[in-house]
Amino acid sequence: AQSVTQLGSHVSVSEGALVLLRCNYSSSVPPYLFWYVQYPNQGLQLLLKYTTGATLVKGINGFEAEFKKSETSFHLTKPSAHMSDAAEYFCAVSYSGGYQKVTFGTGTKLQVIP
Amino acid sequence: EPEVTQTPSHQVTQMGQEVILRCVPISNHLYFYWYRQILGQKVEFLVSFYNNEISEKSEIFDDQFSVERPDGSNFTLKIRSTKLEDSAMYFCASSGGGLAQQDTQYFGPGTRLTVL
Repeated sequence: AQSVTQLGSHVSVSEGALVLLRCNYSSSVPPYLFWYVQYPNQGLQLLLKYTTGATLVKGINGFEAEFKKSETSFHLTKPSAHMSDAAEYFCAVSYSGGYQKVTFGTGTKLQVIP
Repeated sequence: EPEVTQTPSHQVTQMGQEVILRCVPISNHLYFYWYRQILGQKVEFLVSFYNNEISEKSEIFDDQFSVERPDGSNFTLKIRSTKLEDSAMYFCASSGGGLAQQDTQYFGPGTRLTVL
């Protein structure tokens, strides 16, 4: 079975500070890993994904994440937070292939303080 | 850019009533899904659908739920007799098509179902 653990249900950062949202996964086979963002009263938008190949993946809005197999982690970072980054972020895992169900973490709400 | 659409955006119904939530997946996608998110909780998988049949379903997806692709463009989720605990945001997703899209599910904006 696959699962995702997100550490910290709420994270606050100052505008301009580093954003670090933590995600650890469990999967019995090589995983596909995703970060989705949900703005208030909106749907889920794909930020970035790791499937195979380069372990550092870049996404939209300046976010990136690094797949570390040895640590079973896929942490999301952004060098400088912007007010518009305030949202809920979901880490997710699936078995290889977009046709497999996606298992989501519990989410981390990011607050950006001016 | 192609996107998944869902209607209605908000549905209010009385307990025991039937509801149908509608989705239009991305046009060349082959795999379709429903997820739900109860307020304050995580997004949960309900069902996946491929080649006109259910390929996987969760324990949540009991006999009260059904899915259908009635034509070449729509994908629906029916709840036969709604319960209070069915109140949630329901997300449709699709994947497949070209190689670049097979590994990612694209989500619609959701339908908020409120059962009174």
